[in-house]
Amino acid sequence: DAGITQSPRHKVTETGTPVTLRCHQTENHRYMYWYRQDPGHGLRLIHYSYGVKDTDKGEVSDGYSVSRSKTEDFLLTLESATSSQTSVYFCAIRPTGQGTEAFFGQGTRLTVV
Amino acid sequence: AQTVTQSQPEMSVQEAETVTLSCTYDTSESDYYLFWYKQPPSRQMILVIRQEAYKQQNATENRFSVNFQKAAKSFSLKISDSQLGDAAMYFCAVFRGTSYGKLTFGQGTILTVHP
Repeated sequence: DAGITQSPRHKVTETGTPVTLRCHQTENHRYMYWYRQDPGHGLRLIHYSYGVKDTDKGEVSDGYSVSRSKTEDFLLTLESATSSQTSVYFCAIRPTGQGTEAFFGQGTRLTVV
Repeated sequence: AQTVTQSQPEMSVQEAETVTLSCTYDTSESDYYLFWYKQPPSRQMILVIRQEAYKQQNATENRFSVNFQKAAKSFSLKISDSQLGDAAMYFCAVFRGTSYGKLTFGQGTILTVHP
């Protein structure tokens, strides 16, 4: 167990509603990531963080925002959910050290209807 | 920009045989790391093998080995003596060696192992 928890694990929401996914770690690792996984697209990076209040965009950041006000929590917000954001979302954490392994949460299945 | 391409959406292999999964990448960094992850149906992500770009020697972990061609930006995974438990989605990933820590994955290859 890498000490990473995603919540909720499953969510169904309506188009146009805001949604926040939470990633919580107990490892005090510096780096945290949000990915979405879709068939044919693999894992695509949404946003990532390299420290408290330090975040950057990934390849598919449109429609998403993040916040990291403390080391252990990395929040992903869909400001106004759309059906194209139906996906499985993964959070990952990495300790400092360039060759270190990333550890993943169990994923959140989000359905936007 | 940093990209990873896995051109084989699906691959299959007979049990006990050898299979190679392809991966190409593009990064402007000179210092970076490469990874292969396995994702079984449980959706858990499991590290299979890693390679430091500055090392010429190919990494090996038991039945798993890589063929790292730096000039060609190619990083293939070879699985020897394939087992039924190797059936999974495999992802190639590149981590750039800067302080910002961007970790980029490819599209994945679904590996089926036939008994």
